[in-house]
Amino acid sequence: DVKVTQSSRYLVKRTGEKVFLECVQDMDHENMFWYRQDPGLGLRLIYFSYDVKMKEKGDIPEGYSVSREKKERFSLILESASTNQTSMYLCASSLQDSHYGYTFGSGTRLTVV
Amino acid sequence: GNSVTQMEGPVTLSEEAFLTINCTYTATGYPSLFWYVQYPGEGLQLLLKATKADDKGSNKGFEATYRKETTSFHLEKGSVQVSDSAVYFCALGGGATNKLIFGTGTLLAVQP
Repeated sequence: DVKVTQSSRYLVKRTGEKVFLECVQDMDHENMFWYRQDPGLGLRLIYFSYDVKMKEKGDIPEGYSVSREKKERFSLILESASTNQTSMYLCASSLQDSHYGYTFGSGTRLTVV
Repeated sequence: GNSVTQMEGPVTLSEEAFLTINCTYTATGYPSLFWYVQYPGEGLQLLLKATKADDKGSNKGFEATYRKETTSFHLEKGSVQVSDSAVYFCALGGGATNKLIFGTGTLLAVQP
């Protein structure tokens, strides 16, 4: 089975901290994605990457950056965490063609205080 | 562009009731269609999928048929259980994009 592993299930950070959310997949998928999920707003795409060192902005990239130095790892960075970034963060990976669907990680519940 | 519309929730049912969650789509070409399920506090899991018209995806008693004539992929289950309580997402993939298009999710609450 394809596995997507997010480094933390729960995280509490202080306002202004630099926060790293890590995601690792083990099936050589080309594409990786970061979403955030908030009540009533569904899934919103933050960034995605279709190859090593390649990235594209999603719908809500403001306040976030990403890094993909190796194919299996995709990091989401909150440069200066704010309380409005308190959310559930979901990582996913897929083959190049979205016909095959995504595999999601278990999610990271981030609280910024 | 491509889009997915699914019924708003919450849907509240008693155990053993019949479930339908509606999903319709707009797409060019021949997309694949998916249902994902998200249990409380978890990530999304693939529940079932269909890759061409008239295909039926099925898993864990859930079914959905890819209907090109009505551009629909409704999720059904004959007898729901409390353990089916979750958020269900319809999604569309393939075509000109390498990203899935998700519906807004439907919360299902099953009461004993």
